[in-house]
Amino acid sequence: DAMVIQNPRYQVTQFGKPVTLSCSQTLNHNVMYWYQQKSSQAPKLLFHYYDKDFNNEADTPDNFQSRRPNTSFCFLDIRSPGLGDAAMYLCATSRDRPSNEQFFGPGTRLTVL
Amino acid sequence: AQTVTQSQPEMSVQEAETVTLSCTYDTSESDYYLFWYKQPPSRQMILVIRQEAYKQQNATENRFSVNFQKAAKSFSLKISDSQLGDAAMYFCAYRSSNTDKLIFGTGTRLQVFP
Repeated sequence: DAMVIQNPRYQVTQFGKPVTLSCSQTLNHNVMYWYQQKSSQAPKLLFHYYDKDFNNEADTPDNFQSRRPNTSFCFLDIRSPGLGDAAMYLCATSRDRPSNEQFFGPGTRLTVL
Repeated sequence: AQTVTQSQPEMSVQEAETVTLSCTYDTSESDYYLFWYKQPPSRQMILVIRQEAYKQQNATENRFSVNFQKAAKSFSLKISDSQLGDAAMYFCAYRSSNTDKLIFGTGTRLQVFP
């Protein structure tokens, strides 16, 4: 089945230790998104790629970066995680822009010790 | 800036009954899209239903329907003949017509009792 895959599902890191979260998709969609969802809060868009074109949200901290080496993969890098970065990170894709439907992965829950 | 508000953190319904989840939003735009997404426990979020603001007719998908009141900026989801598999977190979301950005509400957790 075509899908959006996120690895790992659970990630534990230490305060200040860089961490990378991975997302892959078999849908061959042009657009890939990263959302941050803190406990009891709404998912919040961090950034998205349209093909290789990177679009950063104005309020996304510099600590968060992303890479998309090819159509299938997208990575979220947190350079120096703080306790406030503990959250669920959701990857999503859409076929094109603007998106009538976004397809989500199961998320990676990040714990910062 | 646009905002989405879901005032019901939790709702419950008995199997086979009907439940309505509320959502209001704030925008100065006239052209936009509204969505309801479902997030089952430990599973990915999936689209339930979508409404284009320029359409007056309320969207329907099987047991799921919306009540879209544009003037009131209200977008409620009605689930008929509730099933145990409907238990999930439900998110209301807004998208401007010229962007990809989804703006989500904080969600409503729906419990379904047998």
